[in-house]
Amino acid sequence: LAKTTQPISMDSYEGQEVNITCSHNNIATNDYITWYQQFPSQGPRFIIQGYKTKVTNEVASLFIPADRKSSTLSLPRVSLSDTAVYYCLVEGSNYQLIWGAGTKLIIKP
Amino acid sequence: DVKVTQSSRYLVKRTGEKVFLECVQDMDHENMFWYRQDPGLGLRLIYFSYDVKMKEKGDIPEGYSVSREKKERFSLILESASTNQTSMYLCASRADTGGRTEAFFGQGTRLTVV
Repeated sequence: LAKTTQPISMDSYEGQEVNITCSHNNIATNDYITWYQQFPSQGPRFIIQGYKTKVTNEVASLFIPADRKSSTLSLPRVSLSDTAVYYCLVEGSNYQLIWGAGTKLIIKP
Repeated sequence: DVKVTQSSRYLVKRTGEKVFLECVQDMDHENMFWYRQDPGLGLRLIYFSYDVKMKEKGDIPEGYSVSREKKERFSLILESASTNQTSMYLCASRADTGGRTEAFFGQGTRLTVV
């Protein structure tokens, strides 16, 4: 069963690109990788999902190397409002959901 | 907008009480989930349901039960609340399209058991 490991915290500055990496060494062939964002007193919110290579949407990019043992969430040009906790999720078939413990990202002015 | 509504934002209950946490979604989603969230532990799945009257245990079902009598409603029940069940409880729903789709979460219920 995949286990997801991510840094407990990170900080950066407004306007910078932020990369948060999640390790999932035992990821299975059919598992997908999803990232969620959570603000205080709110439920998590979907950011992006991928299976391999690179996925990009209007808010983030997700990079997944060929061996799929890690994934990197990339937030371009962050602002103060990107301060939040970011969760990595590895999801297999049959509702196997392996959540990381979350990375608290603090953006400074 | 998809909406997942949890009945209470904050609850305080006494040890031994039976506690009901209610969750309603308005998107006709097949799948619904209950998680608890504790500092440093992330989200842990308690129970999920993939259809009306169907339920499956998650990673930490002990001390909890669930009910899904209607598609839009998924209830979490603490049969006899204990202090170690003090936590943030999150409900989520998502469509069942055969793949891994986006889950929508409620605002959470912060339960304190005294």
